[in-house]
Amino acid sequence: QKEVEQDPGPLSVPEGAIVSLNCTYSNSAFQYFMWYRQYSRKGPELLMYTYSSGNKEDGRFTAQVDKSSKYISLFIRDSQPSDSATYLCAMSARNAGGTSYGKLTFGQGTILTVHP
Amino acid sequence: GAVVSQHPSRVICKSGTSVKIECRSLDFQATTMFWYRQFPKKSLMLMATSNEGSKATYEQGVEKDKFLINHASLTLSTLTVTSAHPEDSSFYICSARVPDRGYEQYFGPGTRLTVT
Repeated sequence: QKEVEQDPGPLSVPEGAIVSLNCTYSNSAFQYFMWYRQYSRKGPELLMYTYSSGNKEDGRFTAQVDKSSKYISLFIRDSQPSDSATYLCAMSARNAGGTSYGKLTFGQGTILTVHP
Repeated sequence: GAVVSQHPSRVICKSGTSVKIECRSLDFQATTMFWYRQFPKKSLMLMATSNEGSKATYEQGVEKDKFLINHASLTLSTLTVTSAHPEDSSFYICSARVPDRGYEQYFGPGTRLTVT
């Protein structure tokens, strides 16, 4: 079983739709949760980050973390064609001594297409 | 802020030659940088963690003698692919950790390497 599971899609929605992207994970030590957007042949761009459980909103984007269920989500409201990209969830934990941050573990990425 | 650049963006080299890829943090000092490899429509695979002034830590299965990493300053890390082989053709992406937000990583735009 992979540490982080993400439905690769592809996901195709009409412009204006609400998009829900999800990841599940198995490592209970993960504390930091991030969503990246990657356009074709470009590096990933950090969209949202969340520490521990809860919600965080930034414009049209909302990130949710449910640590009890080991489940994170990214919601995109009023989706636009420019949102068409691959979305990657990523997470990390502190090291055993709590003195530094561990490496990022990525999901497989979900390919999203928003059509006009 | 938190801008990471990579150079070159694309490179073509012949089998048996070596190629160097540079990763720079432009507006912050990065004590830790990471090198990833990404295959088409796949997620990012961490190759190594690069710490300024010390040897890189390689992930299991990554040949340290083939992928030489040097983190000579707080703003520059380099990846040298030695004795390149067509199987090394891939998209290489670096990222840098922001010192006061250690769980966040900011990615460069990537380097497309083609070995002929």
